[in-house]
Amino acid sequence: EVQLVQSGAEVKKPGAAVKISCKVSGYTFTLSHMHWIQQAPGKGLEWMGLVDPENGKTMYPEKFQGRVTITADTSTGTAYMALSGLRSEDTAVYYCATLARGLDYWGQGTQVTVSS
Amino acid sequence: DIQMTQSPSSVSASVGDRVAITCRASQGIGIWLAWYQQKPGKAPKVLISAASSLERGVPSRFSGSGSGTDFTLTISSLLPEDFATYYCLQVYSFPRTFGQGTKVEIK
Repeated sequence: EVQLVQSGAEVKKPGAAVKISCKVSGYTFTLSHMHWIQQAPGKGLEWMGLVDPENGKTMYPEKFQGRVTITADTSTGTAYMALSGLRSEDTAVYYCATLARGLDYWGQGTQVTVSS
Repeated sequence: DIQMTQSPSSVSASVGDRVAITCRASQGIGIWLAWYQQKPGKAPKVLISAASSLERGVPSRFSGSGSGTDFTLTISSLLPEDFATYYCLQVYSFPRTFGQGTKVEIK
């Protein structure tokens, strides 16, 4: 059974950074890119970027470029998403997901709350 | 970036109704579109990939069609468990972009 298990909820102050993990099981980690998606309260889904676990290459949209860093540790089958310079608008649920045809699986989501 | 425009943003329907949700891409994306269902407090779940390919385990009342710029998700006969929010996602190019979502509500 494929599982993506994310780390727990975080509360951060404005200006701080957060790092969320996503541990996979049930498939070969290097077979699929790992994507991260943001969902603000009551809002839609926004793609934050991806990492190719096979070679560590990343892609980020302009909106998050410079603030987000996505990495992959093949020794543990874990992907990470770090977001810096947190502001109130970053309060959201963050998902990791494979988004691959035939291998489309999502983590359970991690709530990040940014509050002073 | 490719913009994905979904319509309607919400629809009120009854059990047994047929519902169609459309997604329009700002440029041609071939068949590279997926549809997701999201229930409150849960991660999205893929229903359809490659515009019309039903994912394993997804009921046949869900179907997808379209290519190029215009796509449709159809639920042939709504069941209570289908009341949720639906999103399209283009997987043709980067950055990946989602539609803004369609909430299917109980009339």
